[in-house]
Amino acid sequence: NAGVTQTPKFRILKIGQSMTLQCTQDMNHNYMYWYRQDPGMGLKLIYYSVGAGITDKGEVPNGYNVSRSTTEDFPLRLELAAPSQTSVYFCASRAAQGNYGYTFGSGTRLTVV
Amino acid sequence: AQSVTQPDIHITVSEGASLELRCNYSYGATPYLFWYVQSPGQGLQLLLKYFSGDTLVQGIKGFEAEFKRSQSSFNLRKPSVHWSDAAEYFCAVGAVGGYNKLIFGAGTRLAVHP
Repeated sequence: NAGVTQTPKFRILKIGQSMTLQCTQDMNHNYMYWYRQDPGMGLKLIYYSVGAGITDKGEVPNGYNVSRSTTEDFPLRLELAAPSQTSVYFCASRAAQGNYGYTFGSGTRLTVV
Repeated sequence: AQSVTQPDIHITVSEGASLELRCNYSYGATPYLFWYVQSPGQGLQLLLKYFSGDTLVQGIKGFEAEFKRSQSSFNLRKPSVHWSDAAEYFCAVGAVGGYNKLIFGAGTRLAVHP
């Protein structure tokens, strides 16, 4: 059981480049989330989705976009990378019912130079 | 505003000593409370959670936490720390019902001396 899989694990981008962070879960979870983690700041919610075709903004959505065409996949898109987007990005999922515990991916470390 | 405060950024304990990590929250609704642990280079792993009922909850790896509504706290404890407990610990709060968007504290980094 793979759980939540994030790719790539590491990436270096130049300012102005774009990229997509991939997130896939195989637990049939309805809810999926993207967080960014910065030192001393904890995790901040970027976007979340409650099911295929439904997404909404979190605390820090500027500079990012998401889509949810299937239950399994929840990619995060950076259109014009900026140094402020240097961070570690975590994808998480949970079932719509039950214990509300999140399952996290192992993260993507992104550096924008 | 909803928030989670972990007052201690870094804590160092000796192996075998007891541990308490503090967490205070501000949340208007009935909260769900969580503790997660993150080892270096890894994702977050759920240690324990509180939804309702007994205010002392047991988790994995010998951890426990106590919910005190009057103090808006959810402190994490372990009676005897092992070197492998060195990691970063995050407290999080979410709403009962709704989309359960968790709000995380800034984290406490635990170092364990042999």
